Amino acid sequence: EAQVTQNPRYLITVTGKKLTVTCSQNMNHEYMSWYRQDPGLGLRQIYYSMNVEVTDKGDVPEGYKVSRKEKRNFPLILESPSPNQTSLYFCASSLSRGNTEAFFGQGTRLTVV
Amino acid sequence: QKEVEQNSGPLSVPEGAIASLNCTYSDRGSQSFFWYRQYSGKSPELIMFIYSNGDKEDGRFTAQLNKASQYVSLLIRDSQPSDSATYLCAVNFRDMRFGAGTRLTVKP
Repeated sequence: EAQVTQNPRYLITVTGKKLTVTCSQNMNHEYMSWYRQDPGLGLRQIYYSMNVEVTDKGDVPEGYKVSRKEKRNFPLILESPSPNQTSLYFCASSLSRGNTEAFFGQGTRLTVV
Repeated sequence: QKEVEQNSGPLSVPEGAIASLNCTYSDRGSQSFFWYRQYSGKSPELIMFIYSNGDKEDGRFTAQLNKASQYVSLLIRDSQPSDSATYLCAVNFRDMRFGAGTRLTVKP
């Protein structure tokens, strides 16, 4: 089954404690991205990757890091989480950057206290 | 001005009626347009995409695109309670840009 898998689904952490949200896709997609979704603001892109070892900032990259060492995996790293990073996070993958459907992971609801 | 604008709703329609969801976008170079449905607490899933001016129909759903007016809409005919969700408009130029979504409620 074609899918994007995120883990964990729910996470409560404390300010400053490093965390990683994993994302893996089995569709051999080149393009992967991370979004955060906040009420009234919609989906905002954090980082994206056009291929292995190629990553770039989206609209709201501050406080986040990513890596793309393998085509299928695109982890999101919060080195020092803060309460304003409390949000619903989605990983997505697609065949290419433009004009193609995005497939989303199940979402990770992160709370930073 | 937001890049992709949608009325946040909520939009409430009775079962069996036509629901009309609207979206405007700011980038004239945008080439592809998508409608995603998102149930509460779930991830977005694609309903339809449209690239050319005019209408595109798929079952009970019709997407309409007017590039001159920078406007894209989604019509849902014979609305069902299971259609109650938030509908996200997405516009792709170099990157996918999402609207904040319109919450639709279909009342039995």
